[in-house]
Order: sequence, then C-alpha cells, then structure tokens
Amino acid sequence: NAGVTQTPKFQVLKTGQSMTLQCAQDMNHEYMSWYRQDPGMGLRLIHYSVGAGITDQGEVPNGYNVSRSTTEDFPLRLLSAAPSQTSVYFCASTLGGGRTEAFFGQGTRLTVV
Amino acid sequence: GESVGLHLPTLSVQEGDNSIINCAYSNSASDYFIWYKQESGKGPQFIIDIRSNMDKRQGQRVTVLLNKTVKHLSLQIAATQPGDSAVYFCAEISGYSTLTFGKGTMLLVSP
Repeated sequence: NAGVTQTPKFQVLKTGQSMTLQCAQDMNHEYMSWYRQDPGMGLRLIHYSVGAGITDQGEVPNGYNVSRSTTEDFPLRLLSAAPSQTSVYFCASTLGGGRTEAFFGQGTRLTVV
Repeated sequence: GESVGLHLPTLSVQEGDNSIINCAYSNSASDYFIWYKQESGKGPQFIIDIRSNMDKRQGQRVTVLLNKTVKHLSLQIAATQPGDSAVYFCAEISGYSTLTFGKGTMLLVSP
C-alpha cells in the first residue's frame, strides 16, 4: 500500500514550457485534490475532484488543468509555465463520505526560470 | 475571502514542556477543524480533527480545543518531544473534503 505517489519530486522548467505532474493513489479514495505551497504560506487549493469524470476549481486554478479519467489518477497540467508557478505542489486524497483525514503525497518542487 | 490564520509564526519549547499552538478562524460554517503536522521535505500529516459541534477532543498526547464564541482553535501537545518539531497547520473543511489552510506555526523543541 503506497498511499499517494507524486512524480517527479523535482522539476525545472523554462518559461512557456508545459508539463504534467502525476498523482496516483491506491486507497480507492473518492476525493482527490491539488494544492500549492509557497514559502511562509499554507497550502492553497488549485483543483479538486469528487470522483472519476468530475473536477472543479479551487482557490488558485489559473494556469492549471486537471482531469480524472480513473479513480486512481489525478494529473495536474501546467499549460504554459510562468515564474509565478514556482512552488511546491502537493496532491491529496480523501476517502469521502464525511471522512476528514486527507493523505498527502511527498510533493513536487517546481522551479520555473 | 474567509480564511484560517495563526497567531504565532514560531514557538520554541524545551523537551518535556507542554506546547500550545493557536489558530483563529473566520468561517463559522465549517464542518470540521483539523490540525496537520508537516516535517521538512514532506507532505502534511493528519494529527487530529474536531467536529464543529464539539468543544474538545483528545488523542494520543494531543488535545484540540474549539471555542466557537471567539472563533479560536488550539492544539495542545503534552510532554513535547524533539520529534514534534515541525510546522503545524490548522485547516477547516467543508463540503467536498477540500481544505482551507492557515499559514502555519513552526514548533521548535530543544533537548
């Protein structure tokens, strides 16, 4: 049981490049979400999903796309990277049904130059 | 927008002391309030939650208190250990299990 797995752990992009951050969970959790964490700040919600085929925007969705084709996977796409997207990205999953414990991945540290 | 915030950015304690980390919230409609611990280089880890209709909840060495009158949340850690050194976040949850986080408090435990 691996929990929530994020890849890659580190990534450097040039401004304007695109990439996909991968997130997979093996706990059959219904809810998945993406957060970004900037220095000295708490995590902010980018996008979330309440089940396969269903996604919605969070607090800071601009510049990111998501899809949820399976229960297990929830990739985050950066369409055209900007220096303002330099951050640490965390994926999380929750069982749903009123359960509150979210399980987080180890994070992806992204630098856009 | 509504948010969850913290009073103190850094708390330094001696090993064996009790630690109290405070948090103010503004959204009275939240269903649950949660404390997370984040160690360096890792993702946040769930510690304990409290439902909005409760005042107190205890776990192993931790107690969370909720004062709805003044919209205040606290995490008490008994007999603090060096392994408790981390950043602690309070968060609120509502609806689809999405979290709104505060900015975090760094807890430093000296041996």
